[in-house]
Formats: sequence, C-alpha cells, structure tokens
Amino acid sequence: AQTVTQSQPEMSVQEAETVTLSCTYDTSENNYYLFWYKQPPSRQMILVIRQEAYKQQNATENRFSVNFQKAAKSFSLKISDSQLGDTAMYFCAFMKDTSGTYKYIFGTGTRLKVLA
Amino acid sequence: GAGVSQSPRYKVAKRGQDVALRCDPISGHVSLFWYQQALGQGPEFLTYFQNEAQLDKSGLPSDRFFAERPEGSVSTLKIQRTQQEDSAVYLCASSLTDSRNTEAFFGQGTRLTVV
Repeated sequence: AQTVTQSQPEMSVQEAETVTLSCTYDTSENNYYLFWYKQPPSRQMILVIRQEAYKQQNATENRFSVNFQKAAKSFSLKISDSQLGDTAMYFCAFMKDTSGTYKYIFGTGTRLKVLA
Repeated sequence: GAGVSQSPRYKVAKRGQDVALRCDPISGHVSLFWYQQALGQGPEFLTYFQNEAQLDKSGLPSDRFFAERPEGSVSTLKIQRTQQEDSAVYLCASSLTDSRNTEAFFGQGTRLTVV
C-alpha cells in the first residue's frame, strides 16, 4: 500500500521569504503522479503543482517549485516570495498511474502561515 | 457551472438519521469522485465514477454508504443510519477526462456533523 508522510504539522514564514514543505512517500510502483494541493479555510482543494514520476525535470509553476527525488521518494514544495494569500493547509498527494480509478493518497497536511 | 458545487454546505444530523449530499460537477466532466476528510486529516478516497459507471467504490467504509450518478452528471452520496464517526467534510471533485494528466477540480465540501 502507498503512504504519504508530511512531517511538519505547522510552519510559518515571513512575507517575501522562501519556505520549503517536506513530503515523503512509499510505493513499489514505477509510474505515478505526485501533487501538492492547497486548502484555504474555504475548504476547496486547489492544485498547486503536479509532477509525473517518469519526468526527471522538477515541475515549476511561477513561485512554486518542487524538488523531486525519486530514489529517495521525496517530493518537497518550495514557495518563493511568500505572500499573505499563501496562508493555508498544504497537502502532498500520490496517485498511481492506473486506469479505472482516480484515487489520491493524501498526507496529513502542513499548516502554513505567512506573516506580515 | 463555473465550478464544482456541493450542497448543503453544512448538515447536522441526529444519530440514526439518513442524509443525502449532492455534488454538481463542472458540465461535461467525465470523472467524478468523493473524498471524506476527518478533522485534522487529509482527504480519504471514497468512490469514483466515470460518467454514470461507478468504477471504484473500494473506499466506502461500510454498506451504509451509497453513491450514485445516474445520468453521468449530478452525483449523490447517501449515508444511512448516520453514526458519530461519520462526522467529517465530504469533498466532491470532477475532471474533464479519465486521465491522471487532467486537473481535478474540487468543490467546497459538505461538513456533516452527527449529534
């Protein structure tokens, strides 16, 4: 079975600074996807960034980038130039590349607070 | 619609009551799925639909939980004889295709409290 571990329950960062959120996962699969989702108080999960396991290059979306280490099964999220609107819960998630389902395995989340 | 819509936003049920939670996906989206999020936890998979076909219901915790999507659009998650451990936020999401490459869009969830 796959598992996702987020070891930082809470983090804080000063506005405009950089912060890195950690995520490790366990799987015997070779093909899979990894995601970071943001969940503000509105509860709506919003996709931040996605990485396909077969791609060597780390994904980047504007101020958000990942450090994907496949051998170490690590998938950290770096947020640059943090903004107050980045305050939210952040969930790391894993999904097997299998047809017939759409099953994310989520971690327990990291609560990020951006300080003014 | 503009996004995934769930109703009601909040539901309080007495233990033993039946409840029905509704999800309106984005129009034309093929995939629809339900997740359960307990307080302080990450969401956990309940079930997956591709159009009207329920292809995966491996996450439904008991036979008290039932989901349907009869016309391949709106979906309803029904919980019979609710119990306190059913208290959680129920999230619905939809995706344009059945490919893992396609972004999934989540609704704002229904917070169910069983008293």
